Amino acid sequence: AQKVTQAQTEISVVEKEDVTLDCVYETRDTTYYLFWYKQPPSGELVFLIRRNSFDEQNEISGRYSWNFQKSTSSFNFTITASQVVDSAVYFCALRTAPYSGAGSYQLTFGKGTKLSVIP
Amino acid sequence: AAGVIQSPRHLIKEKRETATLKCYPIPRHDTVYWYQQGPGQDPQFLISFYEKMQSDKGSIPDRFSAQQFSDYHSELNMSSLELGDSALYFCASSSLEGDYGYTFGSGTRLTVV
Repeated sequence: AQKVTQAQTEISVVEKEDVTLDCVYETRDTTYYLFWYKQPPSGELVFLIRRNSFDEQNEISGRYSWNFQKSTSSFNFTITASQVVDSAVYFCALRTAPYSGAGSYQLTFGKGTKLSVIP
Repeated sequence: AAGVIQSPRHLIKEKRETATLKCYPIPRHDTVYWYQQGPGQDPQFLISFYEKMQSDKGSIPDRFSAQQFSDYHSELNMSSLELGDSALYFCASSSLEGDYGYTFGSGTRLTVV
């Protein structure tokens, strides 16, 4: 069974502060993929990053950075110098690689963290 | 680049009516997924299709059915609608080739009144 835990339900920060969103996952598979999605008030799911289990390098993309640590089963997301436009619900998700070679790659989502950036 | 197209964007139905949601995957993507996201909830997997065959099934009610057609578009049919079916319905597509990308459409917001 797979599980994703986002312990922070809601976070409020003042604009320009840094904020880290936590994600802890559980899986018995050795090959898996981790995702982060942003869901603004308009509702669409915006893809932010995908990371496979064999690549533990941290990644930085502009003001966004991700810290993947297999030892603690965590894939945390940091926004530097937050902006009002970052206000959204952020979902962490897990997908294992199928063994049959065809078909389902369903995502297991965490409950999401609602980030509010206050001007 | 082409994205996953869902229609309609918004749909209002009365209880006990039927609704049909459509999804057009990214060209050359061979797998389509449907997810349901209730208010304040995380998306929940409903069903998936690979090469027009059902490949996996999640928590999809028996009142719902889906299929993937020869042009790879998919339709989610929901009958005997209940108030609790009000949700955002997302379609996503991916391909076994390449990098297992997972792209969501903009969603259909279904409101049952």
